[in-house]
Amino acid sequence: DTGVSQDPRHKITKRGQNVTFRCDPISEHNRLYWYRQTLGQGPEFLTYFQNEAQLEKSRLLSDRFSAERPKGSFSTLEIQRTEQGDSAMYLCASSFFHSRETEAFFGQGTRLTVV
Amino acid sequence: EDKVVQSPLSLVVHEGDTVTLNCSYEVTNFRSLLWYKQEKKAPTFLFMLTSSGIEKKSGRLSSILDKKELFSILNITATQTGDSAVYLCAVEAYGQNFVFGPGTRLSVLP
Repeated sequence: DTGVSQDPRHKITKRGQNVTFRCDPISEHNRLYWYRQTLGQGPEFLTYFQNEAQLEKSRLLSDRFSAERPKGSFSTLEIQRTEQGDSAMYLCASSFFHSRETEAFFGQGTRLTVV
Repeated sequence: EDKVVQSPLSLVVHEGDTVTLNCSYEVTNFRSLLWYKQEKKAPTFLFMLTSSGIEKKSGRLSSILDKKELFSILNITATQTGDSAVYLCAVEAYGQNFVFGPGTRLSVLP
């Protein structure tokens, strides 16, 4: 499978615990995005990377959230001290950014439930 | 702040009907507008539009962009129950991420 893959697909955690999600983008893609989606809403931007550089982080993202892409390939998104409001689908997407148009392809998402 | 608005938010039609979904945007340094279909999990890519007035077509789906009026439409003709999904519009600005609208939930009844 050469698409974007995310792991795990589902995560249930107790409030206050830390969780980490992984995203493996399409191999030649240099951009990687993280989005969060709650029921009935469109994806909400969290952060994105070009290669290993984190270019933008949403103002809505609290300091409990951190993302890395250390070698410019896979990325991890960590949420510390989870709260019930963090329950959502976390989507990763990747694209090959160049001088022409860019399309982003999404992974299947990680559904987080905080109890 | 960049913004994408979609209408209607929800639509129920019968098989065979034609539907038009709307997306309007406010963004600085517009680069492209994309349509995605989301069923149960990840959004799947439909179209990317960068130029005004050029219709993109894929089977029963078509889309067009108006960069002067800052909107796009997605048309689906002869709808089928398999078209039931949330249709997301996203806009990319140069050097920035994709901004998504809230989506239009389409339900096609048999």
